[in-house]
Amino acid sequence: KAGVTQTPRYLIKTRGQQVTLSCSPISGHRSVSWYQQTPGQGLQFLFEYFSETQRNKGNFPGRFSGRQFSNSRSEMNVSTLELGDSALYLCASSWGGRGPSRTEAFFGQGTRLTVV
Amino acid sequence: AQSVTQLDSQVPVFEEAPVELRCNYSSSVSVYLFWYVQYPNQGLQLLLKYLSGSTLVKGINGFEAEFNKSQTSFHLRKPSVHISDTAEYFCAVSGVYNQGGKLIFGQGTELSVKP
Repeated sequence: KAGVTQTPRYLIKTRGQQVTLSCSPISGHRSVSWYQQTPGQGLQFLFEYFSETQRNKGNFPGRFSGRQFSNSRSEMNVSTLELGDSALYLCASSWGGRGPSRTEAFFGQGTRLTVV
Repeated sequence: AQSVTQLDSQVPVFEEAPVELRCNYSSSVSVYLFWYVQYPNQGLQLLLKYLSGSTLVKGINGFEAEFNKSQTSFHLRKPSVHISDTAEYFCAVSGVYNQGGKLIFGQGTELSVKP
């Protein structure tokens, strides 16, 4: 069974640009969550998509957005990049339905975004 | 709402010694609890989980954790560590009645195993 695939692995962008990151979840998983990891703030939840709908949202500005497609693949977009957006962005895949296993998340290797 | 506190930011230990990484959580409702490991430049790998049932949970790589509801703790233990256990470890919580898969993470504990 293939794991969670995130592309690209590394990105360098300039302040003010926008960026799109992609995540392909494990086959059969319908939930995709996104997290930002920085040395100062640790792992912070961005948002979760389930069946093409945003189900949960963290405390990030509107410059951070996402979407999910019918095949459960998800994209995350950050507009008007700031230096502070430099981080490792992690995608987590889970079954997402009812019951305790909905929370069992499998992570991709992440996309390292550097804003210069 | 839930929160997680990992009491040690760094834990140095010698190879073959036992180790305990401490995790306390706060929640007004019942919770699911997880430990993840992150190797350099990698994503997070699930070590073990507590969903219900036995409070002693065994995971991969010889790790185990004990859920203590009265002390709101979920400490991770390994009786004998290897150099390859050097990594960052994260404790995470999710409320049982939360909708969806949102996880709240602690700040992480860097485990450094020395020969």
